[in-house]
Amino acid sequence: GAGVSQTPSNKVTEKGKYVELRCDPISGHTALYWYRQSLGQGPEFLIYFQGTGAADDSGLPNDRFFAVRPEGSVSTLKIQRTERGDSAMYLCATNTRGMNTEAFFGQGTRLTVV
Amino acid sequence: AQSVTQLGSHVSVSEGALVLLRCNYSSSVPPYLFWYVQYPNQGLQLLLKYTSAATLVKGINGFEAEFKKSETSFHLTKPSAHMSDAAEYFCAVSDQHNTDKLIFGTGTRLQVFP
Repeated sequence: GAGVSQTPSNKVTEKGKYVELRCDPISGHTALYWYRQSLGQGPEFLIYFQGTGAADDSGLPNDRFFAVRPEGSVSTLKIQRTERGDSAMYLCATNTRGMNTEAFFGQGTRLTVV
Repeated sequence: AQSVTQLGSHVSVSEGALVLLRCNYSSSVPPYLFWYVQYPNQGLQLLLKYTSAATLVKGINGFEAEFKKSETSFHLTKPSAHMSDAAEYFCAVSDQHNTDKLIFGTGTRLQVFP
């Protein structure tokens, strides 16, 4: 597609439920990043994929958070046993790393845990 | 570790006035620096980037920023504010020697009054 696509745009879930957030990158972009943006804050890094592998997952807050990118394209961020503190905007960004190019961001998924 | 600090969480200017948004960085290596803009309920859009070429960087929508190593600053300016400039602005530094992940500041909300 023309840009990074994130679905759903909004997700409301009950505390304790499982959610999946999807990111469709720009075609050909090998690097994919997930960020979390809490209200009134800047985005915070969660995880980075180069191709299919998670090259850096140091930003994942705990083991309830997991992400995959099985074919090196679409990525899914998975959150188990959601908590109210997980409520935030989840942003995906992609680029062609190593070529001094900018990261292109999707519109984000706003997750609300009630 | 790399970091950025944005001074002033809110800045208000009149339409036609100078816009100055402040960003200071900390980095043990020559930094790559970015300014992003975020409109309500949107993803992030790149305004401009510094990647060790010219210290005065021109971006989109009439914005520019100057890299000053002696002051560890990368302030964003625009000579004449427009109502459409009202948004949240984020300064970021890239971990370019590792994963290219972005480390963001806490953001500055720009309000433009008629």
